[in-house]
Amino acid sequence: AQSVTQLGSHVSVSEGALVLLRCNYSSSVPPYLFWYVQYPNQGLQLLLKYTSAATLVKGINGFEAEFKKSETSFHLTKPSAHMSDAAEYFCAVSVGNTDKLIFGTGTRLQVFP
Amino acid sequence: DAGITQSPRHKVTETGTPVTLRCHQTENHRYMYWYRQDPGHGLRLIHYSYGVKDTDKGEVSDGYSVSRSKTEDFLLTLESATSSQTSVYFCASRDRVEAFFGQGTRLTVV
Repeated sequence: AQSVTQLGSHVSVSEGALVLLRCNYSSSVPPYLFWYVQYPNQGLQLLLKYTSAATLVKGINGFEAEFKKSETSFHLTKPSAHMSDAAEYFCAVSVGNTDKLIFGTGTRLQVFP
Repeated sequence: DAGITQSPRHKVTETGTPVTLRCHQTENHRYMYWYRQDPGHGLRLIHYSYGVKDTDKGEVSDGYSVSRSKTEDFLLTLESATSSQTSVYFCASRDRVEAFFGQGTRLTVV
């Protein structure tokens, strides 16, 4: 069965610093992978998605992620953090033949001035 | 933005009572999902649907049932609410790839 593991439930960075949020997946077949963001008291919004095209995926708000099959990873990065990036981030995996969409436990990003 | 609405947005109910949460989508998406969100657990899949009258269990389905009689509506029922079901519930609908989420329902079981 597919699953995702997010390493680090909390990440803190200074404004302007690199953001790196880690996600590793488990899937026996090529997966679809997603990063979603959740701001306080809101639903989830898609940041970016991998669907077996380019391995480096660019998303909204300057975020990007790289699919690395050899490492079963899909880490989220942003070169320079902004205060408005403070939110909770979720990695998710889907395998086409099951239609399930499975989420990780989330990483809360704090950005300090 | 996809039109996903959840109702009610907030509900307080007593232990042992049945509760139904509604999810309505206007995008004609085939797939719909119910999740619960709890601190430290992220989003856990309760049930999902891959078409009208076609549903399947997720990771935490005990104590919950679902129904989908129309493409646009996906109902989640807590058959006999317990305090452990106090949570924030999210519905999502999905086209072939991307899922779109509702704003959530905060349910408190007292």
